[in-house]
Amino acid sequence: AQSVAQPEDQVNVAEGNPLTVKCTYSVSGNPYLFWYVQYPNRGLQFLLKYITGDNLVKGSYGFEAEFNKSQTSFHLKKPSALVSDSALYFCAVINYGGATNKLIFGTGTLLAVQP
Amino acid sequence: SQTIHQWPATLVQPVGSPLSLECTVEGTSNPNLYWYRQAAGRGLQLLFYSVGIGQISSEVPQNLSASRPQDRQFILSSKKLLLSDSGFYLCAWSLGRSANTGELFFGEGSRLTVL
Repeated sequence: AQSVAQPEDQVNVAEGNPLTVKCTYSVSGNPYLFWYVQYPNRGLQFLLKYITGDNLVKGSYGFEAEFNKSQTSFHLKKPSALVSDSALYFCAVINYGGATNKLIFGTGTLLAVQP
Repeated sequence: SQTIHQWPATLVQPVGSPLSLECTVEGTSNPNLYWYRQAAGRGLQLLFYSVGIGQISSEVPQNLSASRPQDRQFILSSKKLLLSDSGFYLCAWSLGRSANTGELFFGEGSRLTVL
């Protein structure tokens, strides 16, 4: 079965510093991987996805993610964090099969950016 | 452009009362529709999904049900709420099977408190 793991419940970073939010995956076949962001009491917003091609994927709000097949990782990164980036971040993988493709989400990582 | 509307945004209900949460999508046809529950502000659990009118798949046994009376309408219901039904409920849509590239688009959520 497809799954993703987010090993950190929370990541703290100072504003202006680079940030990394970790995600590892377990899939059979080629992985379709996603990152979403959730602000308090809001729905999830799509940030970026990896389907195929370049291992470095660029997304919304200056975020990017690096697909690493040998390490089965898809870490989310940003060169310079903003206080407004503080939110809950979810990694997800598609679960193939059945009537539709379903996204399987990780448990989320809370990013706290201090001014 | 496509939009998704979900209501009510907040709801406080007594134990044993009925529930109806509604979700509608505009600007697309034949979407796949999903209901997720987020408990304790973290993990996302897929409750139901639908690939067409009247077609409902349940992911977990529970006190809730879902219906899709129209192509772009998805309703989450309960006849008698339990305390454990409290949570943040998220409706989402994706493109239909042949066009599905995996992204989910979420509504703003409905916060249910059962007292």
